[in-house]
Amino acid sequence: DAKTTQPPSMDCAEGRAANLPCNHSTISGNEYVYWYRQIHSQGPQYIIHGLKNNETNEMASLIITEDRKSSTLILPHATLRDTAVYYCIVRARAGGTSYGKLTFGQGTILTVHP
Amino acid sequence: NAGVTQTPKFQVLKTGQSMTLQCAQDMNHNSMYWYRQDPGMGLRLIYYSASEGTTDKGEVPNGYNVSRLNKREFSLRLESAAPSQTSVYFCASTGGASGSNWNEQFFGPGTRLTVL
Repeated sequence: DAKTTQPPSMDCAEGRAANLPCNHSTISGNEYVYWYRQIHSQGPQYIIHGLKNNETNEMASLIITEDRKSSTLILPHATLRDTAVYYCIVRARAGGTSYGKLTFGQGTILTVHP
Repeated sequence: NAGVTQTPKFQVLKTGQSMTLQCAQDMNHNSMYWYRQDPGMGLRLIYYSASEGTTDKGEVPNGYNVSRLNKREFSLRLESAAPSQTSVYFCASTGGASGSNWNEQFFGPGTRLTVL
């Protein structure tokens, strides 16, 4: 699985958009980008994933560059409850021989301020 | 649905003692996983079970054993605990009944283990 690089920490004002970047320059054609978050020592929570097209769900949007070497997770209206560690993970196609295994880096600590 | 449950929530052991961490899921998932998380670090995979009846080593398997008791339950055993195994342990599951839906992995609340 390709490695990812994320800033160690970011701040965001409540109500504003939080844009979390991730570099994955060695990503291969069959690898997806996944985002998880971990709120204060709870178990990680799945947010969103994508291959090459932009994706949106009720939690967030995922923007993947055309060359797929980087991506941005967008929380459109951050709240205090979005304060968490956000993990960007690159993994081969789900359901294949990776059997869903996830490799976590150190992630980005997002702090949302009032 | 309870999702993924883990017991115990907290445990303190002395060096050399043994214990088993229990994990159960009620989502009919095929695959289950054990991770550990040390302070300030991301999660690291200890063992996983791709399907009932199979188990495989992950990134950091030394000092641990696992048992996939049935489709619902996946236990992690420390035979002789060491201070280096002080960590938070998370169990997770994924994969639908037909092998679909591998994209979202569901995690339990964790077991906080201290080895003195």
